[in-house]
Amino acid sequence: DAGITQSPRHKVTETGTPVTLRCHQTENHRYMYWYRQDPGHGLRLIHYSYGVKDTDKGEVSDGYSVSRSKTEDFLLTLESATSSQTSVYFCAISEPGSTGELFFGEGSRLTVL
Amino acid sequence: DAKTTQPTSMDCAEGRAANLPCNHSTISGNEYVYWYRQIHSQGPQYIIHGLKNNETNEMASLIITEDRKSSTLILPHATLRDTAVYYCIVRPGAGSYQLTFGKGTKLSVIP
Repeated sequence: DAGITQSPRHKVTETGTPVTLRCHQTENHRYMYWYRQDPGHGLRLIHYSYGVKDTDKGEVSDGYSVSRSKTEDFLLTLESATSSQTSVYFCAISEPGSTGELFFGEGSRLTVL
Repeated sequence: DAKTTQPTSMDCAEGRAANLPCNHSTISGNEYVYWYRQIHSQGPQYIIHGLKNNETNEMASLIITEDRKSSTLILPHATLRDTAVYYCIVRPGAGSYQLTFGKGTKLSVIP
């Protein structure tokens, strides 16, 4: 299994509080991604990173920010959580020049009350 | 990116071949077909991918029609552990590493 660790795995928070999810990889892959998964919507890309300090928006980036100060860590921040951000969040990694395969973490379940 | 169409759900008897279809009629010449699956609430798992030739690995076979407008993922001997949601994804070749997931096919393997 790819060395991807997401933390926390489960979190319950209240509306308006800041939340940071962490994705840590030990594979030294260049690309990292954050997806969210909701019933009826499948997986949707929030943000991705193509290198340290290089990030870009995905299709559902509003309300989220990301940072990548080291190759191994990709942080997803909800500055002020809302109930619509209740979801399961998946981190993924990939390496350019390979098959393009994405390796996914086990997910972080966030509940915003 | 090309859009894909998959059946919402399928059943397959344990031990039989599971054939999961995918339509991608707007696929362009440099786009690959990828298949992933997601078991229960785990992260998606890569299965196989191809451009125009049929492909086989230890998990499955991928059959792509000659006009590349559709493909079929074949699990040769389905087991209960193959029960999952299967996603067919079309991705541009070099220079794009994002995957756009649709809703996939829920495959239920029946004992």
